[in-house]
Amino acid sequence: EAQVTQNPRYLITVTGKKLTVTCSQNMNHEYMSWYRQDPGLGLRQIYYSMNVEVTDKGDVPEGYKVSRKEKRNFPLILESPSPNQTSLYFCASGGDGTYNEQFFGPGTRLTVL
Amino acid sequence: SQQGEEDPQALSIQEGENATMNCSYKTSINNLQWYRQNSGRGLVHLILIRSNEREKHSGRLRVTLDTSKKSSSLLITASRAADTASYFCAPSGGYQKVTFGIGTKLQVIP
Repeated sequence: EAQVTQNPRYLITVTGKKLTVTCSQNMNHEYMSWYRQDPGLGLRQIYYSMNVEVTDKGDVPEGYKVSRKEKRNFPLILESPSPNQTSLYFCASGGDGTYNEQFFGPGTRLTVL
Repeated sequence: SQQGEEDPQALSIQEGENATMNCSYKTSINNLQWYRQNSGRGLVHLILIRSNEREKHSGRLRVTLDTSKKSSSLLITASRAADTASYFCAPSGGYQKVTFGIGTKLQVIP
């Protein structure tokens, strides 16, 4: 089944404790992206990757890191999480070409205390 | 980044009625897509309309695009309770930076 998976789905952590949210897709997509969704602010793009070893900042990259060592994986790293990073996070992937349909993962609900 | 702005922000209708939501954007596009999000879940792609198309249908969905006005509309006909969700538009000129708006929250009352 074609899908985007994220882990963990729910996470409660404390300020400053490094964490990684994994994202994996099995559709051989070149494009992958991370979003955060907050009430009243919609979905905002954090980072995106056009291919292996190619990443770029979205609209809200501060406090986050990403890596794209393999085509299928695009982990999101919070080196020192803060309470303002409490949010619902989505990973998405898409094929290349003009028709940029994105496939979204189920989401990771992160709470930073 | 390219961002769509959906209007209205909230819409409540009776089951069986039609629901119309609008999207405006600011830059030139290759295509525009509509997505649905059930509460707390990932977005699901509904329909894509290319910049050289004016109207497109998919089941109970009808999308129009007016590139001169930089606007699009999504019509859901004969709505059902299961259509209750948030709807987002995504104007696209290529992947690059993509930002979704706040969306239109549709409630269909049985």
